[in-house]
Order: sequence, then C-alpha cells, then structure tokens
Amino acid sequence: AQKITQTQPGMFVQEKEAVTLDCTYDTSDQSYGLFWYKQPSSGEMIFLIYQGSYDEQNATEGRYSLNFQKARKSANLVISASQLGDSAMYFCAMSHQAGTALIFGKGTTLSVSS
Amino acid sequence: EAQVTQNPRYLITVTGKKLTVTCSQNMNHEYMSWYRQDPGLGLRQIYYSMNVEVTDKGDVPEGYKVSRKEKRNFPLILESPSPNQTSLYFCASSLYPSDNFEQFFGPGTRLTVL
Repeated sequence: AQKITQTQPGMFVQEKEAVTLDCTYDTSDQSYGLFWYKQPSSGEMIFLIYQGSYDEQNATEGRYSLNFQKARKSANLVISASQLGDSAMYFCAMSHQAGTALIFGKGTTLSVSS
Repeated sequence: EAQVTQNPRYLITVTGKKLTVTCSQNMNHEYMSWYRQDPGLGLRQIYYSMNVEVTDKGDVPEGYKVSRKEKRNFPLILESPSPNQTSLYFCASSLYPSDNFEQFFGPGTRLTVL
C-alpha cells in the first residue's frame, strides 16, 4: 500500500538552530515524487521542495533541503537556521505519476521560539 | 499571475442545504483535484479530473459531486451537506502528462456544516 508516515506530531526548535522533520514512505513503484509543503496558521499550502525518485542528488531550496535515502525509503526535510516564521504545520507527500494524486502524511507541527 | 482560485474562502451552512465551491485555474492544466483536510488525517483526495468531461473518485468521494465542463473550472458540489463534511477543502491543479510532479494549490475553503 502507498503510504506516507510522519512520526513526529510536534517539534520544537530555537531560532537559528537546524531542525529535521522525518518522513518515511511506502511504495513498490520505481518512479515517484516526494514533496514537502508548509501550512501556516492562515491555512494555505505552500510548496517547499521536491525530490524525484531518480534524482541522485538531494534537493535543496534555500534553507530547505531534502535528505533522500532511497534504500531506507525516507525523505526527511532539513530546515537550517530556523526562523520564527517557520512555525507551521509541515506535510510530506508522494505522487506516483507526474501530475496526479498526492498522498499526504498526517503532518508535523513545528514551533520555533526565540 | 499563475494561480488557482477558490470561492468562497469561508462558508457556514446548515445540514441539507446544497452548496457549490468553485475552483478555477489559469495555467491551462489538464489535471485538477479536490482534497479535504481534517485534523490528524492530513489531506485526502475527494475527486480528480484528468481533462474536460473526465472525472473519477479519489479516496473519500462519498457525499460529493464534481463536474469538468471547461478546462479551467472544477466545482465541488455538496448536494446535501452533513456535519461530517465540515473541513478545510483544497483545489489543486497540475500539468498532465508531465515530467513535472508539482501540484498548485488554491487558498482553501473552510466549510462548517451545522
């Protein structure tokens, strides 16, 4: 069964520290995409980063990087130098075919304190 | 500006009163879908459409209808809303077929059914 697991309901981090949000996935397909989205309290879904299953290098977007370990089926999000504005819910998601359904995890709430 | 729009953004209604949530995208995307988000469950797909006049059920279609008469529009219809349909709803769109896995989300519609 295709599934995304986020085991951390909540994470707390101090400003300027790095934080890792865990995500594991389950699929038997060879081709898939992995995503991270941020949802602030205002509710919109903000795309952060994408990793394709055939990409050999880990994806990076500014302070966000995706630690992709294919053999372990993990796709952890690393946020470097946390900021207060990073406080939000973070969702890991997977898609099996380009442009089709996303399967979401249950989310991790990140709280950044000063 | 490339975007997905939803209306209304907030809606409070009563059980049994038919309602429609509109979704429109200006990116000429073939694939459109609806998700609902509930606490502790992440986002789950309700319905999707691969192109005009082509729609299919997602994971949680009960109580919902959709139509795709034009490429840009994908309304979600609740013929007889019930309190268990109180949720945050997202419309999303993407290119299909495509090498690009990214989906673009609308701002969300918060629905309360009393």
